[in-house]
Amino acid sequence: AQTVTQSQPEMSVQEAETVTLSCTYDTSENNYYLFWYKQPPSRQMILVIRQEAYKQQNATENRFSVNFQKAAKSFSLKISDSQLGDTAMYFCAFMRGYGGATNKLIFGTGTLLAVQP
Amino acid sequence: DGGITQSPKYLFRKEGQNVTLSCEQNLNHDAMYWYRQDPGQGLRLIYYSQIVNDFQKGDIAEGYSVSREKKESFPLTVTSAQKNPTAFYLCASRMGNYEKLFFGSGTQLSVL
Repeated sequence: AQTVTQSQPEMSVQEAETVTLSCTYDTSENNYYLFWYKQPPSRQMILVIRQEAYKQQNATENRFSVNFQKAAKSFSLKISDSQLGDTAMYFCAFMRGYGGATNKLIFGTGTLLAVQP
Repeated sequence: DGGITQSPKYLFRKEGQNVTLSCEQNLNHDAMYWYRQDPGQGLRLIYYSQIVNDFQKGDIAEGYSVSREKKESFPLTVTSAQKNPTAFYLCASRMGNYEKLFFGSGTQLSVL
């Protein structure tokens, strides 16, 4: 069974600084997808970034980028120029690349990020 | 605007009572999902549905029931058999099988 581990329950960063959130996963699959979701205090889940395992290039969305290390099964999220609005719980998630709609997202336990002014 | 609407935002359950959480989407998505969120445990899958009149158990289905009579609607009933129902419940939907999930704004269920 696949598992997702986020070893940092809480992190803090100063505004305008860069922070990296860690995520590791365990799978025997070769075809899969990885996601980072953000849950601000409103509790609305928002997709931050999506990575396809067959793509070697790391995904990037504005100030958010990932460091995808397939062999090490590592998928860290880097937030550059941190803003107060980045304060949120961040979840890493894994999904197999087959199985249709039965294919569920498996979530880590989350990292609570606080951006300090 | 298209999206997923969950109601109510807050819900209180008395001992031995069944309660139903509403989830409606106008995104024309086939697949819909219910997740439970507890502090420190991330999100866990309760039930999911691929098409109308079909649904499957997730990892923690005991004490819950669902129906999918319309494509747009996927209500979740928390039955009296669920002994620890206090949690934040999130409904989600997806168009393609490997695309992102769209989430509703959630329902916080508490026991009186």
